[in-house]
Amino acid sequence: GENVEQHPSTLSVQEGDSAVIKCTYSDSASNYFPWYKQELGKRPQLIIDIRSNVGEKKDQRIAVTLNKTAKHFSLHITETQPEDSAVYFCAAYSGGFKTIFGAGTRLFVKA
Amino acid sequence: EAGVAQSPRYKIIEKRQSVAFWCNPISGHATLYWYQQILGQGPKLLIQFQNNGVVDDSQLPKDRFSAERLKGVDSTLKIQPAKLEDSAVYLCASSSSRTGGSEKLFFGSGTQLSVL
Repeated sequence: GENVEQHPSTLSVQEGDSAVIKCTYSDSASNYFPWYKQELGKRPQLIIDIRSNVGEKKDQRIAVTLNKTAKHFSLHITETQPEDSAVYFCAAYSGGFKTIFGAGTRLFVKA
Repeated sequence: EAGVAQSPRYKIIEKRQSVAFWCNPISGHATLYWYQQILGQGPKLLIQFQNNGVVDDSQLPKDRFSAERLKGVDSTLKIQPAKLEDSAVYLCASSSSRTGGSEKLFFGSGTQLSVL
């Protein structure tokens, strides 16, 4: 069935450094790739998304890239801040009309 | 706009007991989802409704879990009887898609279930 793999499971960076989280998906019919941020004890919230007809999208300090051929997509956070510390989930909207989530990356930004 | 409402926020029960969760989606959102999030994992889809019809319940353990969405608005998820491995956060989400598909999901705060 559809599967989304996410790496790394834990990422620790120094404040001001960049963070990169990578995901791969299995369903070639997937056409929408959202990223959700979940702070401790809170609900997941959409932070950025990309559609399959676009290779890159940027919103201030965060950007997402998509390689459809390789079925890879990545989240890039630049100039990280302590408030970026959270769990980040990638997801793929599959041809079966459902969103499949990765296992999550716990990001720690050290001040 | 008001967000997705869920209740209760926390629930502690003993194994073999029953429990029910309630969700009210964002007004006008046709698609409603129940996800199970076990500690340290990503959300796993249990069931997806389009209006009051089930679109996907392939991951729902039907011997103990049931869900309904009467009148295409509110939804309830029930577990009977509960097992220790059901301990998780149960997230309800909704989206505005009217074609049976999910795109941008709006999540509720979740119900944290502990089965002792």
